[in-house]
Amino acid sequence: DAMVIQNPRYQVTQFGKPVTLSCSQTLNHNVMYWYQQKSSQAPKLLFHYYDKDFNNEADTPDNFQSRRPNTSFCFLDIRSPGLGDAAMYLCATSRELITGDRAQETQYFGPGTRLLVL
Amino acid sequence: GQQVMQIPQYQHVQEGEDFTTYCNSSTTLSNIQWYKQRPGGHPVFLIQLVKSGEVKKQKRLTFQFGEAKKNSSLHITATQTTDVGTYFCAGSGAGSYQLTFGKGTKLSVIP
Repeated sequence: DAMVIQNPRYQVTQFGKPVTLSCSQTLNHNVMYWYQQKSSQAPKLLFHYYDKDFNNEADTPDNFQSRRPNTSFCFLDIRSPGLGDAAMYLCATSRELITGDRAQETQYFGPGTRLLVL
Repeated sequence: GQQVMQIPQYQHVQEGEDFTTYCNSSTTLSNIQWYKQRPGGHPVFLIQLVKSGEVKKQKRLTFQFGEAKKNSSLHITATQTTDVGTYFCAGSGAGSYQLTFGKGTKLSVIP
């Protein structure tokens, strides 16, 4: 059964035309992440939600926004996509971390949405 | 900020040969995780190491976490074509649930 679902799997948009990517999870995890992964590169964290608290990475462009209306859903909004924003966008979830040396919950990744900007 | 270096970037092996990828962090980690990403796929969790000097095995895969909790390795014995993909290490510091990914090692297996 799918645990982290991303829609659509492929998205084509025009330069400057806003686009929204969606992620949903059936795991009831507190934390949801959005990563950008370009070809042959590691996933790059854009931001994450810890419950309803939004945490932006310092180098994430203002062009990228996110919404989390409830525990299960999270959206990535790209307000004015540029050619450089073409990438795979990965959503991931994890349960609340127990800090220190105790085990961190693993992150579960969705299948990703591949964004093409024309 | 925390940096995680991973080498080599690419590795081509003949089927049946062994493969190792290494990960080094600029800071002490609370834990390190390993993921595998098949071509065109998404990262899939393989294992997590938490304790200093920890060694875990999954069939042909052996994972190690250094004594200082700053380095880790993944070793695959007798590679198979199904091992093809990019292997990422990802670490987090104490008190953080954010993962810093290494750049990955792309493994190609020649039949």
